[in-house]
Amino acid sequence: EADIYQTPRYLVIGTGKKITLECSQTMGHDKMYWYQQDPGMELHLIHYSYGVNSTEKGDLSSESTVSRIRTEHFPLTLESARPSHTSQYLCASRENRRRNTEAFFGQGTRLTVV
Amino acid sequence: LAKTTQPISMDSYEGQEVNITCSHNNIATNDYITWYQQFPSQGPRFIIQGYKTKVTNEVASLFIPADRKSSTLSLPRVSLSDTAVYYCLVGLYNTDKLIFGTGTRLQVFP
Repeated sequence: EADIYQTPRYLVIGTGKKITLECSQTMGHDKMYWYQQDPGMELHLIHYSYGVNSTEKGDLSSESTVSRIRTEHFPLTLESARPSHTSQYLCASRENRRRNTEAFFGQGTRLTVV
Repeated sequence: LAKTTQPISMDSYEGQEVNITCSHNNIATNDYITWYQQFPSQGPRFIIQGYKTKVTNEVASLFIPADRKSSTLSLPRVSLSDTAVYYCLVGLYNTDKLIFGTGTRLQVFP
């Protein structure tokens, strides 16, 4: 059973607000990922991290930012939410010791910006 | 990261065997082939991984020919609950990224 958690599950927020999507895992995984996915569409990698104090941008440009101050925590922040940010955001993690390890996903946060 | 090609969609009926093939012509020596399943509104979940020949678990079988340039995910006797998107990933050895591509959307009908 995966021990990776995302909060909130659903969020409806007004334009211009600052939001932080939380992602935590208790498996001690060094690698963590954020994906953005619209309904019925492709899963896009927007950020990833190798470990504490390392963050990289993914293949899809995103106005969001991430931080990795602790191994277990990888929050994603939008400084000023816009309707174009409406989407589902999925967080994942996998261990670093072996390259071909499986990734575990959280339940996702469905964000709606009105 | 090895580029993969898989059908965009497939249809099947309950009780049938479904085979989804993934092409990965530039697979590297150290690369494993990994398949994930994603249900609507959920994150993908790992279903099977292999390096060569055949791998079987309680969910699926994975067939990999000797040249490893393709692989086939086999789902025996599918049910409605197998309706999902199936992703083939190759090339995780040499990269820390995890790119899923478009996947194959499987629709199972009663």
